[in-house]
Amino acid sequence: DAGVTQSPTHLIKTRGQQVTLRCSPKSGHDTVSWYQQALGQGPQFIFQYYEEEERQRGNFPDRFSGHQFPNYSSELNVNALLLGDSALYLCASSLGLAGGKETQYFGPGTRLLVL
Amino acid sequence: GEDVEQSLFLSVREGDSSVINCTYTDSSSTYLYWYKQEPGAGLQLLTYIFSNMDMKQDQRLTVLLNKKDKHLSLRIADTQTGDSAIYFCAEGTNAGNMLTFGGGTRLMVKP
Repeated sequence: DAGVTQSPTHLIKTRGQQVTLRCSPKSGHDTVSWYQQALGQGPQFIFQYYEEEERQRGNFPDRFSGHQFPNYSSELNVNALLLGDSALYLCASSLGLAGGKETQYFGPGTRLLVL
Repeated sequence: GEDVEQSLFLSVREGDSSVINCTYTDSSSTYLYWYKQEPGAGLQLLTYIFSNMDMKQDQRLTVLLNKKDKHLSLRIADTQTGDSAIYFCAEGTNAGNMLTFGGGTRLMVKP
C-alpha cells in the first residue's frame, strides 16, 4: 500500500520564478492538504483540496495556488518566488468524510530553495 | 486565533521515560495529534486523541489530555536512541481540516 508520495524531492529556483510541486495521496484517500515548514518551525497550513475544489485556505498570499485532479493527486504552484518561500513543502492526505475523523498522513516533502 | 506551544528541547537517557508537553488555545479543538519528524524526513503520525478522552495508551506511548487547562502530553516509556527526533503536537477541528502545529520539541536520547 503506497503512502503519500511527492515530487520532486529537492528543487532550486531563483527569485521571481514559478514552481510546481506534485503530490499523490495515500491509496483510498481523496483529500489533499499542503503545508509549508520553514527551517526550525512547525508546519503551516496552506490549503486543502477535496473533490477538486479548494475547501479551506490558510494565511498565504494568492501567489500560492493549487489544483486537484480527478485521480485525487494534487499540485501546488507558487508564482513570483521570494527568498522567504524557501522551505520544506509537505503534502498530507486524508479521507474526507464529512464530520468524520480525518487523520492526515504526510509525505516526505519537497525541499525548495530560492536563491 | 489558534496557538500551539511546545518547549524547544528535551534530553533524556536511554531507558528513561520522556514527557513532551504541549499547550493549545482553541477550545473547539476536536482532535489532538502527535507527529514525529526525523532529520530530512516528513511527518510520521504517532498517535491521536479525541477531545472527549483523558488518556490514550498505545504500546510505549501514553497521551494525557487536560481539556480544562488545554494541556496535552506525550509520554514515551523506555526511551531508545531511535526515538531521537522532533515531536510536534497539532490540533484539528471538525469545522475544518487544517491542522495547527506547535513549533516542535527536539528530543535527544543519550546512550
